[in-house]
Amino acid sequence: GAVVSQHPSRVICKSGTSVKIECRSLDFQATTMFWYRQFPKKSLMLMATSNEGSKATYEQGVEKDKFLINHASLTLSTLTVTSAHPEDSSFYICSASWLPYNEQFFGPGTRLTVL
Amino acid sequence: GQQVMQIPQYQHVQEGEDFTTYCNSSTTLSNIQWYKQRPGGHPVFLIQLVKSGEVKKQKRLTFQFGEAKKNSSLHITATQTTDVGTYFCAGAPSGNTPLVFGKGTRLSVIA
Repeated sequence: GAVVSQHPSRVICKSGTSVKIECRSLDFQATTMFWYRQFPKKSLMLMATSNEGSKATYEQGVEKDKFLINHASLTLSTLTVTSAHPEDSSFYICSASWLPYNEQFFGPGTRLTVL
Repeated sequence: GQQVMQIPQYQHVQEGEDFTTYCNSSTTLSNIQWYKQRPGGHPVFLIQLVKSGEVKKQKRLTFQFGEAKKNSSLHITATQTTDVGTYFCAGAPSGNTPLVFGKGTRLSVIA
């Protein structure tokens, strides 16, 4: 199957700092990438959908100024958590698809801990 | 908005027993997908069902899509310890909307 990488896998930062997470599709061109947040033993919460070259579509309740998403190319999307606070600590997972609403290939996730 | 409900939330079975998880949507779906997430891992795509009443099999796994395209099930025959994980269904209504994931069913298999 298609491979999606995420970097970093783990990050610990101080409250108030910003953290950037990268999501790359390694062997296919992803027209659409999705960003999810997952709390321990919970389901995936969709945060936003991004299409290459256009603005991301955020789900209700997700602050677009706090969670900046950039989908600069067909193989790379970034999520920046700005001015992170302890409540932003979570597991962030991206997924990619070459058709907007077809099967999704998930990255390995990034564990963010904000102190 | 669209809701996708999945039951049960947890299931503990003895190795060799069968297991079924059910998925119900509040709206008609254009397709339904199933994913498996192993403990500590990320979701991995298992299958996509598109047609009303569709049944697909993958070895010991049987996937069904309801006639009304509002529900689906995943059945595992004779579970093994390698089946441990959380199984998520995800569906999208007709049109260009992203998948909505169910809360998942966490399967534990006791050897």
